[in-house]
Amino acid sequence: EAGVAQSPRYKIIEKRQSVAFWCNPISGHATLYWYQQILGQGPKLLIQFQNNGVVDDSQLPKDRFSAERLKGVDSTLKIQPAKLEDSAVYLCASSLGTPGNTIYFGEGSWLTVV
Amino acid sequence: DAKTTQPPSMDCAEGRAANLPCNHSTISGNEYVYWYRQIHSQGPQYIIHGLKNNETNEMASLIITEDRKSSTLILPHATLRDTAVYYCIVRPLTSYDKVIFGPGTSLSVIP
Repeated sequence: EAGVAQSPRYKIIEKRQSVAFWCNPISGHATLYWYQQILGQGPKLLIQFQNNGVVDDSQLPKDRFSAERLKGVDSTLKIQPAKLEDSAVYLCASSLGTPGNTIYFGEGSWLTVV
Repeated sequence: DAKTTQPPSMDCAEGRAANLPCNHSTISGNEYVYWYRQIHSQGPQYIIHGLKNNETNEMASLIITEDRKSSTLILPHATLRDTAVYYCIVRPLTSYDKVIFGPGTSLSVIP
């Protein structure tokens, strides 16, 4: 079974530039999550989708971050403009979407803002 | 905020059992205890979960106290590849539940 796919794996940008990350969840998984993980900390939930609807985006900095999951499958997370403090690993995860289902994580996209 | 507390770091000798504690004193009746681990440069990996009974799988055992206020993850024969950050998470069995991570325990397995 294919896992959660993310790209790019690594990205270096200058501050005030924009960046986009892509995620392809496990086939059939209705719930998709984006987490931000700063070095030395646990992952922080940014946004959670159920199919193509947003369930929770309370921790998403909406002035610069946006995410979409238009057809209920793939998702993109965009940062515009980037700040130095956005340097982190961006993890995508998915689950079947019924209560208690195991959440599977991708390898993450490493962002460095210089 | 995470509803669990864990020691920030632990060491374990290779071949010995690693016992990782977790405190979740405010856990409620419909909440499960989940454990994930994260090896450097990888995404978190599911290990095991339980409600109130002890659980075992091919990776680990989970011991939950009778009052459910704490639990212990046991890696029976730790290897160097078990060096990772281990996260204990309390997760409600409701629709659209949020999975909130704390800082976890950094386990170092020493040769």
